[in-house]
Amino acid sequence: DAMVIQNPRYQVTQFGKPVTLSCSQTLNHNVMYWYQQKSSQAPKLLFHYYDKDFNNEADTPDNFQSRRPNTSFCFLDIRSPGLGDAAMYLCATSRDPDRGETQYFGPGTRLLVL
Amino acid sequence: EDQVTQSPEALRLQEGESSSLNCSYTVSGLRGLFWYRQDPGKGPEFLFTLYSAGEEKEKERLKATLTKKESFLHITAPKPEDSATYLCAVNGGATNKLIFGTGTLLAIQP
Repeated sequence: DAMVIQNPRYQVTQFGKPVTLSCSQTLNHNVMYWYQQKSSQAPKLLFHYYDKDFNNEADTPDNFQSRRPNTSFCFLDIRSPGLGDAAMYLCATSRDPDRGETQYFGPGTRLLVL
Repeated sequence: EDQVTQSPEALRLQEGESSSLNCSYTVSGLRGLFWYRQDPGKGPEFLFTLYSAGEEKEKERLKATLTKKESFLHITAPKPEDSATYLCAVNGGATNKLIFGTGTLLAIQP
């Protein structure tokens, strides 16, 4: 089945130690998104790639970076994780958001910062 | 300001007791309204997309409807496995980003 895959499902890191989360998709969608979701809150958009074009949200900390080496893969890099970065990180894809097409989410990666 | 409001925040029902969840939105130029189900510790699972007022979609015990100002997610004869948080989101306005509501936590007691 076509889908959005995230690895790992759980990630434990130390305060200040860089970490990378990965996302892959078999939907061949143009757009890939990264969201941060904290307990009992709605997902918060960090940034997205429309094909190769990177779009950062104004309030996303510089500590968060992203790479999209090809259509299928996208990575979230957290350069120096702080305790406040512990959260669920969600990857999503969409074919054409300008036409209101659906975003499909992956299962998420739960990040714990010690 | 573009906004999505969901009510109630939490709802507890007995198994078989039908009810509706509400999603009110204010956005200029709606491109799509989306319903997702989210289980604890998992990503949102897509349920429905609605594009225009009057549109309805059904899946098993769930039915989503849309007007120009709100959407309802009707749940008929729910079962305990329907317990989850239901998220509503819209794509519209000046950007094509999803604007999420804060969700409704639904608990179905056997």
